[in-house]
Amino acid sequence: AQSVTQLDSHVSVSEGTPVLLRCNYSSSYSPSLFWYVQHPNKGLQLLLKYTSAATLVKGINGFEAEFKKSETSFHLTKPSAHMSDAAEYFCVVSDRFGNEKLTFGTGTRLTIIP
Amino acid sequence: SAVISQKPSRDICQRGTSLTIQCQVDSQVTMMFWYRQQPGQSLTLIATANQGSEATYESGFVIDKFPISRPNLTFSTLTVSNMSPEDSSIYLCSAPDREGYGYTFGSGTRLTVV
Repeated sequence: AQSVTQLDSHVSVSEGTPVLLRCNYSSSYSPSLFWYVQHPNKGLQLLLKYTSAATLVKGINGFEAEFKKSETSFHLTKPSAHMSDAAEYFCVVSDRFGNEKLTFGTGTRLTIIP
Repeated sequence: SAVISQKPSRDICQRGTSLTIQCQVDSQVTMMFWYRQQPGQSLTLIATANQGSEATYESGFVIDKFPISRPNLTFSTLTVSNMSPEDSSIYLCSAPDREGYGYTFGSGTRLTVV
């Protein structure tokens, strides 16, 4: 069984300051892990994906995430927040050796303070 | 990455009626997935649709309520049957992208049942 826990339902940061969105996972096998972003009234967009290559994964729009097996974590970071980053972020896990079913976290709403 | 066209984008329906949602992928894919996103919540997998076989439903979802068709490798439909206000949600389809990097999502169907 696989699961993912997003530790914060809402994060607020000032524009230009770092962003940290936290995610812990549980998986029976070596997982694939994703971060997706959902802007208001828009579809889901893939930010980045981990698949057992480099543990530090770089994504679009300056986001990156680090896979830490010992901590079962896959936190999303960005050095400097921009107003356009305001959105809902989902951490997602897939059992790489099982079916391709995705399990979504409950989401973190990121608010950027001008 | 793959592009998915989903329609309708939104609809308001009377209780007791049915709505069929369509998804067209711009490339052939073996598996397609249907998700529900209830208001203010995360995505929950409804079923996995493979071409040429019956869909596989997740716990809590049944074929009589959410019949799925998968007539070919680029197209799928989800029907929400005998609708009630509790079915008001966003419904999304998904498919693996061409490069195998992640999963692409349709833009979603926002359903309101009155």
